[in-house]
Amino acid sequence: DIQMTQSPASLSASLGETVTIECRASEDIYNGLAWYQQKPGKSPQLLIYNANSLHTGVPSRFSGSGSGTQYSLKINSLQSEDVASYFCQQYYDYPDTFGAGTKLELK
Amino acid sequence: QVQLKESGPGLVQPSQTLSLTCTVSGLSLTSNSVSWIRQPPGKGLEWMGVIWSNGGTDYNSAIKSRLSISRDTSKSQVFLKMNSLQTEDTAMYFCARKSYGTYYFDYWGQGVMVTVSS
Repeated sequence: DIQMTQSPASLSASLGETVTIECRASEDIYNGLAWYQQKPGKSPQLLIYNANSLHTGVPSRFSGSGSGTQYSLKINSLQSEDVASYFCQQYYDYPDTFGAGTKLELK
Repeated sequence: QVQLKESGPGLVQPSQTLSLTCTVSGLSLTSNSVSWIRQPPGKGLEWMGVIWSNGGTDYNSAIKSRLSISRDTSKSQVFLKMNSLQTEDTAMYFCARKSYGTYYFDYWGQGVMVTVSS
């Protein structure tokens, strides 16, 4: 199975700040990567797919980039509603695997 | 609109069998795949298995021997059965769909919390 290493595990940032979350795959996943946001007590919500495509309705301050084994999620101008956990998922190879998550808090 | 909703018992005794139902609306099970994904408290997500639009199934090799996924298309329901439950199976269980031709989960259910305890 492809292993997804996500960093950092937790992150504290101020309103208006730009934050970046990273995911590294154990092998090339050819942009087969999605990012999800999960608020406490809720199910994950799709943010980004195919590494850099913004899902319908997701604010443009969210963006994804990367290639090969290294991918990142960037949140520009952090808002209070962005406080959540974020997970990456690779779907290039079966079975789908997820990163361990990044918990984003306000400083 | 597309909706998925999980249902099932909140408490299961060790060594017993877990049965969950995912009821979908706004989508056809014959043109969408539905996966089960679980999340232990405070931890990450684990893909458990999928029932494809053609009715075929695939399972996570780590739990394959204990897991069965089936469906009733007439009732728009997908079922999960997992036997020999242990405390480490305590988790939030989600069903989620991948639209035909895509590989990411664009709709998720709200989840159902299952606690394995005597």
